[in-house]
This record gives sequence, C-alpha cells and structure tokens, in this order.
Amino acid sequence: DIRMTQSPSSLSASVGDRVTIACRASQNINTYLNWYQQKPGRAPRLLIYGASSLQSGVPSRFSGRGSGTDFTLTIASLQPEDFATYYCQQSYNTPHTFGGGAKVEIK
Amino acid sequence: QVQLQESGPGLVKPSETLSLTCSVSGGSIHGYYWSWIRQPPGKGLEWIGYIFYSGTTDYNPSLTSRVTMSVDTSKNHFSLKLNSVSAADTAVYYCARLGGVLTGRPMLDYWGQGALVTVSS
Repeated sequence: DIRMTQSPSSLSASVGDRVTIACRASQNINTYLNWYQQKPGRAPRLLIYGASSLQSGVPSRFSGRGSGTDFTLTIASLQPEDFATYYCQQSYNTPHTFGGGAKVEIK
Repeated sequence: QVQLQESGPGLVKPSETLSLTCSVSGGSIHGYYWSWIRQPPGKGLEWIGYIFYSGTTDYNPSLTSRVTMSVDTSKNHFSLKLNSVSAADTAVYYCARLGGVLTGRPMLDYWGQGALVTVSS
C-alpha cells in the first residue's frame, strides 16, 4: 500500500493567514492526489483533484501543488468557514489511501 | 445534482454481518465506480473499496476477506456487507462516487452524509 503522511497534524491560525499543509507519498504517485475538507459531523468535501485542479464551486483561495511524492494544499487567506480537518488521498493505486489529516484550528 | 444516502442498521452484534445500502438520486449509477469509506470515531478515513456499475470490484486488502459489495442498477443503489464484525469496525460509513476515472483523475466527488454503525452486544 502507498502510505500518505501529512504535516503538520494540527495547526492554529488566524483569519486572514496564509496556511500550507503538506502531504508526502511513500512512492511516486505522479499527480494522482486529491484534497478533501471535513467539518465535524459532516462528510468530506472534495477541494482539489489531480494535485492542482480546483473542484467546481470551491473558492479560489484554495490551491494545490506538487507531483511525484510531495504535495501541498494552500489556503491563501484563511476564512472562518475554513476551520476544519484536511485530508489528502492518493488515487494512483488501490487501495486509495488517505493521509492522517491536518486539523486547522482558530488561534 | 447527484445525491447519495446510506441506510442500514445502526447497531450490529459482534461476529455478525454489517449491511449498508447507498441509494443514488439525481443521476444514474451507470458508467461510474461507487465507493465505500469508513471513519472510526475521532480518527481518519479508511478506503474500503469500490464497485463498478457492471459489478467489478476492488477491495482494500486489509478487509478483502470480510467484504462484499454489490450493485442493483434497477434500483440505482449499491451495497456493502462486512462479516465477522468486531468493535474495531465501529465507524461512520460513507458511500461516495468515484468520478474522473475516464479523464484519468479519479476522485471522490459526491459523498453520502454517512451512517454510524456501532458494533456492540
């Protein structure tokens, strides 16, 4: 299985901050990398697919970069509704494994 | 707008079989892969597997001996069975559509709201 490692596992930030979350794959996954946002008690929501493509309806302050083994999700200017947990997922090989999550909390 | 809804018992006894169904509305089940993902309370997401509308399946090796997925295109729904459950299988179970396969960028683009299944006697 491909192991996905996210860092940091949690962070505190203020509204308006620029936030970056990293995700590393245990082997080359090209750009088969997706990012999801999950709020408490809710299902995950797709933000970014193919490492850098913004899902329809997702605000442009979200962006993704990377290829191979190293990827990042950036929130350009953190908004109150962005406080949530973020997961990366590889879809290069099955099982389509997820990272452990990165919780973004209010400072 | 595609919508998914999980249904099934919320409580299952140890050693018995967990059964869930995911009903798809607002779109056809044809032409897509349909996935199951679970999340133990307070923990991260685990990919269980997927089923193509034609019935082809791919399961997580960690669960493959206990998992069966099926699809009923006439009812526009698909199902999950997990046998010999234990407390470790207590989780919120999500169904989701695997979109983007034909474009080479698979992603889970539509999700159900999730169903909490507790394994307890």
